[in-house]
Amino acid sequence: EPEVTQTPSHQVTQMGQEVILRCVPISNHLYFYWYRQILGQKVEFLVSFYNNEISEKSEIFDDQFSVERPDGSNFTLKIRSTKLEDSAMYFCASQGGIATDTQYFGPGTRLTVL
Amino acid sequence: QKEVEQDPGPLSVPEGAIVSLNCTYSNSAFQYFMWYRQYSRKGPELLMYTYSSGNKEDGRFTAQVDKSSKYISLFIRDSQPSDSATYLCAMRGSGNTPLVFGKGTRLSVIA
Repeated sequence: EPEVTQTPSHQVTQMGQEVILRCVPISNHLYFYWYRQILGQKVEFLVSFYNNEISEKSEIFDDQFSVERPDGSNFTLKIRSTKLEDSAMYFCASQGGIATDTQYFGPGTRLTVL
Repeated sequence: QKEVEQDPGPLSVPEGAIVSLNCTYSNSAFQYFMWYRQYSRKGPELLMYTYSSGNKEDGRFTAQVDKSSKYISLFIRDSQPSDSATYLCAMRGSGNTPLVFGKGTRLSVIA
């Protein structure tokens, strides 16, 4: 069964460093998302991406964040200058092209900022 | 008022029990309702997905939506220790709008 994959599973970085989190969405899906979950808290929406551009973003998704679909398969989230409060699980999700489709999540990348 | 409210539990039940998990919401624009299961430090796994009021059954799981009361439920019959996880309700409006999650209910099924 097709699934969303994410790499790395765990990333440790120093505050102020740049990180890139990678996702391979389900083939033929058209909508892509990043969510994050701080330990013990809700899953929160960051950004959605469709047709090679951002379609919606939350207040969390400020100028230090960016997303890219550099080729036909990968979808990346870049955090330019990490802060301690960026430590969280980051989940990628993808959705098919029909409005009634739902979102399927990857296993997540645990980001630890020291 | 929070958009999606979910009792965080924890909820502990004996094996074989019927489990009822619930969420309430305030946004009338929500049209699509999901239940995800999440094991510790893993990604949400889709369990049930519905977009109409009423019941939807899949094996031991039944999802119930009452749009007039803005209330959704997940029932688990004959619960098993392997059902022990955190259950997240999530919902969204039309199109490719983002999901809004509840905080999750942690369930333990004791053998």
